[in-house]
Amino acid sequence: EAGVAQSPRYKIIEKRQSVAFWCNPISGHATLYWYQQILGQGPKLLIQFQNNGVVDDSQLPKDRFSAERLKGVDSTLKIQPAKLEDSAVYLCASSLGTGVTGELFFGEGSRLTVL
Amino acid sequence: AQSVTQLDSHVSVSEGTPVLLRCNYSSSYSPSLFWYVQHPNKGLQLLLKYTSAATLVKGINGFEAEFKKSETSFHLTKPSAHMSDAAEYFCVVSPQTGANNLFFGTGTRLTVIP
Repeated sequence: EAGVAQSPRYKIIEKRQSVAFWCNPISGHATLYWYQQILGQGPKLLIQFQNNGVVDDSQLPKDRFSAERLKGVDSTLKIQPAKLEDSAVYLCASSLGTGVTGELFFGEGSRLTVL
Repeated sequence: AQSVTQLDSHVSVSEGTPVLLRCNYSSSYSPSLFWYVQHPNKGLQLLLKYTSAATLVKGINGFEAEFKKSETSFHLTKPSAHMSDAAEYFCVVSPQTGANNLFFGTGTRLTVIP
């Protein structure tokens, strides 16, 4: 079974530039999550989708971050304009349903460095 | 409010000796608790989970954890460390009800000395 795919794996940009990350979840997984993991910290949820609808985006900095999952399958996370503090690993995860008693499957992450 | 505290940022053990990674939680509800492992340049992987069934939970690769409500703890243990256990371990809490969200601890880096 193919896992959660993310790209690019690494990205270096200058502040005020824009960047986009792509995620393809495990086939059949209805729920998709984007997490931000800053060095030395645990992952923090940015946004959660159920199919193509947003379940929780309370921690997403909406002035610069946006995410979409138009067809209920793959998803894109965009940052525009980037700030130095956005340097982090962006993790995508998917699960069969919405209940967190189920298992989340994580991709390998996209590491962003903002100079 | 939900949160977890991982008491050690770094634990070092010799191969073949026991592993203990400590975690305390805070939750307004009866929580679900998880341990995830992250190997270098790999995705996070679920080790085990507690969801109000048996308090002693067995996971993959010989790890287990015990839910102790009186101590608000969910420590991760393994009788004998293997070199392949070297990784970052995250304790995670989620409310049984309410928003579907995972709250991660800051992680414990486990080093295994040959």
